[in-house]
Amino acid sequence: AQSVSQHNHHVILSEAASLELGCNYSYGGTVNLFWYVQYPGQHLQLLLKYFSGDPLVKGIKGFEAEFIKSKFSFNLRKPSVQWSDTAEYFCAVMLDDKIIFGKGTRLHILP
Amino acid sequence: GAVVSQHPSRVICKSGTSVKIECRSLDFQATTMFWYRQFPKQSLMLMATSNEGSKATYEQGVEKDKFLINHASLTLSTLTVTSAHPEDSSFYICSASDLTGNGNQPQHFGDGTRLSIL
Repeated sequence: AQSVSQHNHHVILSEAASLELGCNYSYGGTVNLFWYVQYPGQHLQLLLKYFSGDPLVKGIKGFEAEFIKSKFSFNLRKPSVQWSDTAEYFCAVMLDDKIIFGKGTRLHILP
Repeated sequence: GAVVSQHPSRVICKSGTSVKIECRSLDFQATTMFWYRQFPKQSLMLMATSNEGSKATYEQGVEKDKFLINHASLTLSTLTVTSAHPEDSSFYICSASDLTGNGNQPQHFGDGTRLSIL
């Protein structure tokens, strides 16, 4: 069955640290990939998406992600995090007829 | 196992039909549920925020009379697409969390509903 795995459930970093959140999916076909962020009490917001083209995707707020097809991965990165990045991050894979979310990574940035 | 159950997973019906989609939290009380819609090749779009015991808050551009949301209990929210037309065909997904605690409750997603209006 198709699935999306986010390796880290809870990440704690200090401000200015670099961030990388892992995301792997299990599906051999064509996929569309997303990273969403959810701040406490709010709905999902799109950080970035990959449909085709350059596998290095730049999103909002300084985030980027790299699609590595051979590794079935779509890891999220940010070179220097801020306290305001404290939130939950979801990786999602869109297949032909549905979208599958990872279980999320809760990111806590220490001021 | 699944903590949010969304039903049905797929609906195909004729134009003019009303369709109800259920979103249930299975092992927690969901004070807030979100309903999203996804068009092909696009990201999720928030339609409305459903709060138990009160009226849903709809996003700009979403017709509240078209997309009726009822959050009658702490474990169930329903989205009814009234008099559906082909342009309502889409993928609908709900999410739920318990925000009455310290705000650190995880968000859980339903498996989504593929609605196809002929």
